[in-house]
Order: sequence, then C-alpha cells, then structure tokens
Amino acid sequence: QVQLVQSGAEVKKPGASVKVSCKASGYTFTDYFIHWVRQAPGQGLEWMGYINVYSGGTNYAQNFKGRVTMTRERSISTAHMELTSLRSDDTAVYYCARRPPQVAFDYWGQGTPVTVSS
Amino acid sequence: EIVLTQSPVTLSLSPGERATLSCRASQSISSNYLAWYQQKPGQAPRLLIYGASTRASGIPDRFSGSGSGTDFTLTISRLEPEDFAVYYCQQYGASPWPFGPGTKVAIK
Repeated sequence: QVQLVQSGAEVKKPGASVKVSCKASGYTFTDYFIHWVRQAPGQGLEWMGYINVYSGGTNYAQNFKGRVTMTRERSISTAHMELTSLRSDDTAVYYCARRPPQVAFDYWGQGTPVTVSS
Repeated sequence: EIVLTQSPVTLSLSPGERATLSCRASQSISSNYLAWYQQKPGQAPRLLIYGASTRASGIPDRFSGSGSGTDFTLTISRLEPEDFAVYYCQQYGASPWPFGPGTKVAIK
C-alpha cells in the first residue's frame, strides 16, 4: 500500500535550518510529484511548493523562495525539504503529499512538527 | 494568483443533518481543478473530492462536490459523527496551489 513516512520532530533555534525527509513506498517513486504543505498551530494549510521527482525540477511558493530547497534521492525513494533562516513563525507541522496527474494530493505523510524557539 | 474564500467559517449542525460548504475563487479555476479535504485534529488532511466533483477512492457517497468556474460546493448529505472536522478547498489548476481558510463543521 502507498505510504509516505516522514522524519521525526525537530526543535531548532532562530536562524538555524531544518531538513525534513519523506520516504515513499508502495508505488513507483518517480511517477508522481511530491508537494510540501505546512500548518502552523491552530491555523490552516499553506502550500510550500513541489518537486518533480523524475527530473528534480522544483516550483516554490513565493513566500518561501530563497529559503526553501526541495530535493530527492531516487535510489532510496525519499524526498527532502530544507528550510533555512528559521523564525519563530516557521513553527508548524510540515507535510509531504503525493500528487497524481489531474488529481489533487491523494496520499499524505504523517506530518513532522518543527518548533523554532530560542 | 488565485485566492480562495470559504463560507461559513463554522457550521453548527446535528448528526443526520445536511451540510453545505462553499468555496469561492478570485478567478476561474482551469479544468475545474478544485479539491476538497477533510482534516481531523492531529491528523493529516484526507482527500475527499478532486476535479470539483469526483470522489476520491474510498470516500462515502454522502460526500458530493459540485460547481465550476469560481463557485464550488461540498455537500454532506447526512452527517455522521465522524464527519465533524475542518474542511479545506484547494485549487490545483495553476501554480501557486493555495488552500482556502477552511470551514469547521461542529456538533450543535
């Protein structure tokens, strides 16, 4: 069955970077884009961008350009999202999600809480 | 950039009642690439509807989506206890792919 399993919770200081991983199984990793979405405490969903797992091409939301990098390791079916220059308002749960062609996000990871605090 | 608004913010209903949720886009959504998700506390979102009206795999038929262009609706025909949650719409026709602010369906 399709699964996206994310890395564990992180606690970071302001100004630091965080790298969240998303390991895919149960399907051909390179057939689907991986998107990243975050959710601050008590808030809604915020789309961050995606990576074309086959080519490595990326598309980032304007709010994150210059601070986010999405990569993938095809050999281990894992996508990564790195966010730099962390601020307190980056405290959120970060999700990866799979997107089939013409369909929306059909499978999601379990979420990775990231806390930014001095 | 397309902006999505959802109404109402909160919908207070009883089990067995019908729920009607609205999602409005600031400009027409291409190919009706509009999705609805359900999210419960502490859980990842769950895809309910894509293409404005197609139910995702395993979604009960009490959930239905309709609409086109800029106005879309999610209807839950008879609320079950497990349906009380927050619902988000999302457009995925053109980048960026924003979500609406959400509608909370609460028990009355």
